[in-house]
Amino acid sequence: QVQLQQSGPGVVKPSQTLSLTCAISGDSVSNNSSAWIWIRQSPSRGPEWLGRTFYRSKWYNDYALSVKSRITIDPDTSNNQFSLQLNSVTPEDTAVYYCTRDPVGGNWFDPWGQGTLVTVSS
Amino acid sequence: QSALTQPASVSGSPGQSITISCTGTSSDVGGYNYVSWYQQNPGKAPKLMIYEVTNRPSGVSHRFSGSKSGNTASLTISGLQAEDEADYYCSSYTSSSSVVFGGGTKVTVL
Repeated sequence: QVQLQQSGPGVVKPSQTLSLTCAISGDSVSNNSSAWIWIRQSPSRGPEWLGRTFYRSKWYNDYALSVKSRITIDPDTSNNQFSLQLNSVTPEDTAVYYCTRDPVGGNWFDPWGQGTLVTVSS
Repeated sequence: QSALTQPASVSGSPGQSITISCTGTSSDVGGYNYVSWYQQNPGKAPKLMIYEVTNRPSGVSHRFSGSKSGNTASLTISGLQAEDEADYYCSSYTSSSSVVFGGGTKVTVL
C-alpha cells in the first residue's frame, strides 16, 4: 500500500520560498511508470495542478504555466521522496498543498498526501 | 489553461440517480481519454472515484460510473446515498502536458 507523508512549514513570508517534502512508502520515486505530482487548492476553489517529476531512463519535469517561472519539483532518490519549491510567494499562493502519485502515466492521482495548509503572511 | 466547467451544485433524493457534467475543449476533455473524477469531503484530501473516463478503482462502489461525449465528460451516481454527499471534481490531461481540474460540484442528498 502506497502512502505519502508531507512535511514543511505552514507559514511563509511574502517574497520568500515555500518548501515542502513528500516522503514515499510502498513505491519508489525512481519507478519507471509512476509520476510524482504537487497540487494545491485554495479555499473554496478547485484543485490546481502545479507540476510533476518522473523517471524514464532520465528525469523529466512538467510545470503549470501559471507558476513555471517560480517552481521546482525535485526527486530525492536517497530518501525516496520528492520536494516542492515555490519562489517569490505572495498571499495568492496561500492554499492547501497536496503531493500525489500518478501510478501509470494515466494522468490520474492516487494516493494523496494528507495536505499542508501554507499561509503566506508577514 | 482555463478550468473545466462543472455545475456548482447538484441534488437528489436517496435512491435517485444524478449526473455531474464536466465541460472542456478539444485540447483537454475532447482530445484525450484521461478524464478522472474525485470525491472530497470537508478537510480531507480528494479520493479517486473514476479514472480514464470510465474505469472504477478497486473499492469504489459500482454506483459510480463515468462517460464522455465530445468535450463533455459526466459522472453518474446511481442509487444516491447520504454518504455520497461531498464535493466532486473532474480533471483532464491537456495538450500543454499538464492537468486541469474543474471548479467542483457540491452534491446534496435531500
